[in-house]
Amino acid sequence: GESVGLHLPTLSVQEGDNSIINCAYSNSASDYFIWYKQESGKGPQFIIDIRSNMDKRQGQRVTVLLNKTVKHLSLQIAATQPGDSAVYFCAENPGGNQFYFGTGTSLTVIP
Amino acid sequence: EPEVTQTPSHQVTQMGQEVILRCVPISNHLYFYWYRQILGQKVEFLVSFYNNEISEKSEIFDDQFSVERPDGSNFTLKIRSTKLEDSAMYFCASSLREGGNQPQHFGDGTRLSIL
Repeated sequence: GESVGLHLPTLSVQEGDNSIINCAYSNSASDYFIWYKQESGKGPQFIIDIRSNMDKRQGQRVTVLLNKTVKHLSLQIAATQPGDSAVYFCAENPGGNQFYFGTGTSLTVIP
Repeated sequence: EPEVTQTPSHQVTQMGQEVILRCVPISNHLYFYWYRQILGQKVEFLVSFYNNEISEKSEIFDDQFSVERPDGSNFTLKIRSTKLEDSAMYFCASSLREGGNQPQHFGDGTRLSIL
């Protein structure tokens, strides 16, 4: 099966600081990636996506960076807020309809 | 904002019983999916469905599982004879176009507990 792993299972940041969440993926054929946020008791919520023909994409307070050379994905959250506390998953698609999810990083924002 | 809705939020069932999990995908979406997440583990793909047919399924989706779109709005997952290891969160998702190149939008899940 595919392997999508996260470098850090937990991350704590001070409110207002920037957060960086990392993800390693294993399939060099993967050409589409999504970051999801999952709050307690909720389903995965789409944050931002990126295709393999890009190396950076920005959204509102979030930036995703893709390094295909080392098969690495990161999510940067600017000015982290308490509402950003959640588990963050990267998911990769190497073709077809299914996404392969990582185990998740739990982000805790300290007020 | 349109969302995927799932019912029930929690289902408790005796082992060996049949269970049906229900989903209402986003109304203009054409592709539908089921994923599951065993407690503490990754979200895992089960099946994708398009044009009233299964388009892709994983090894988990064996003969005990089936999906159906019984009408224009609902999408269901049936487990015929539940096992203890079927206990998990089951997420329904939908996308406007084929899921490999489009965001899949998830519901809040049904927690299935098999006793």
